[in-house]
Amino acid sequence: DIVMTQTPLSLSVTPGQPASISCKSTQSLLHSDGKTYLYWYLQKPGQSPRLLIYGVSSRFSGVPDRFSGSGSGTDFTLKISRVEAEDVGVYYCMQGIQLPYTFGQGTKLEIK
Amino acid sequence: QVQLQQSGPGLVKPSQTLSLTCDISGDSVSSNSAAWNWIRQSPSRGLEWLGRTYYRSKWYNDYAVSLKSRIIITPDTSHNQVFLHLNSVTPDDTAMYFCVRALWGTSGWFFDYWGQGTLVTVSA
Repeated sequence: DIVMTQTPLSLSVTPGQPASISCKSTQSLLHSDGKTYLYWYLQKPGQSPRLLIYGVSSRFSGVPDRFSGSGSGTDFTLKISRVEAEDVGVYYCMQGIQLPYTFGQGTKLEIK
Repeated sequence: QVQLQQSGPGLVKPSQTLSLTCDISGDSVSSNSAAWNWIRQSPSRGLEWLGRTYYRSKWYNDYAVSLKSRIIITPDTSHNQVFLHLNSVTPDDTAMYFCVRALWGTSGWFFDYWGQGTLVTVSA
């Protein structure tokens, strides 16, 4: 199975400040079709996860543009340009190139 | 608007079968662009993909290898539902279980709609 490793595991950010989460995979997520199957999800307290980013950098419907994704191969980053109070929760990266789909262990974002 | 409504017992005895139902609205279980997944979440395992079913002229299933001997995911086209059955459960199967739609897009499968989750505890 592909192992997804996120850092840091927790983050405390002042509103208005940026935040960054790293995700590394044990195998390249670049498919032979030229696409990279890396996704980011946010699970707010008491809720189910919801999709933020697909294909490394494409924002899902309704996701604010302060969220951005980047990276290639095995190294990926989720950035929040200016953190807001509503961004609290646990962020997960996920690989979709190979079954079983696997998730990172999660990064908990708190507001200072 | 797709909605996934889960139901099923919250307590299952060891060695018995865990059975959950996912009622689908706003899409069809037989959709040619969707797959219906079960994912669970526990403090010890995190988010764990369990398996999926999908229809492409016939029904297909994929399962996590670690569960392959114990898991069955089946559709019910008459009621637009998908079921999860996990047999011979142990306390290690205690988790929040999610029914999740995956849609095939330009960047592969992505999980766009999640059920509300069902907390299942395995205990005598």
